[in-house]
Amino acid sequence: NAGVTQTPKFQVLKTGQSMTLQCAQDMNHEYMSWYRQDPGMGLRLIHYSVGAGITDQGEVPNGYNVSRSTTEDFPLRLLSAAPSQTSVYFCASSRQGLDSPLHFGNGTRLTVT
Amino acid sequence: GENVEQHPSTLSVQEGDSAVIKCTYSDSASNYFPWYKQELGKRPQLIIDIRSNVGEKKDQRIAVTLNKTAKHFSLHITETQPEDSAVYFCAASNKAAGNKLTFGGGTRVLVKP
Repeated sequence: NAGVTQTPKFQVLKTGQSMTLQCAQDMNHEYMSWYRQDPGMGLRLIHYSVGAGITDQGEVPNGYNVSRSTTEDFPLRLLSAAPSQTSVYFCASSRQGLDSPLHFGNGTRLTVT
Repeated sequence: GENVEQHPSTLSVQEGDSAVIKCTYSDSASNYFPWYKQELGKRPQLIIDIRSNVGEKKDQRIAVTLNKTAKHFSLHITETQPEDSAVYFCAASNKAAGNKLTFGGGTRVLVKP
């Protein structure tokens, strides 16, 4: 099993550009989530999904959209990138809920200039 | 919402000594407390977790203790080794908040040989 796969690993955007961060998992996990990691602030939940077709907002959802059309994929869309969205983004999946062990992808380092 | 504070932010220990990281949480309804280890440039990985019906849990050199009355939980690493050098994150979740995890700010641990 590959686990959780994120692409790309690195991305540089100009302010106002849009892009999609890809996340796929092959463990048949129902729960998937996106976090951003900023120095000294731990991991903050952006959006999450409890199954295909169901998504909800986390702690810092503004400026991001998600969809979950299949169990495997959970892409994160930046609609109009801003410098404040410069961060490392992690996708995670879990089998039994958000309060169960999270399996993280390798992360995407995003810089917005 | 839940607030998780983690101390210290950095910790330097001599190889073979013990390391202790403490987290406090604000919501008395929180019931799941995981710890994640993140090596430099890598993904966070779960190292141990505890639920509110248990006071202590051990796994080889790692232990977590929970004090529900004081609303704090701690990670104990004994006989530290250079490979324990990493950033450690605590987190807390509760059902009322949809089981979403709130992470602490992280502790950078350096084990000096």
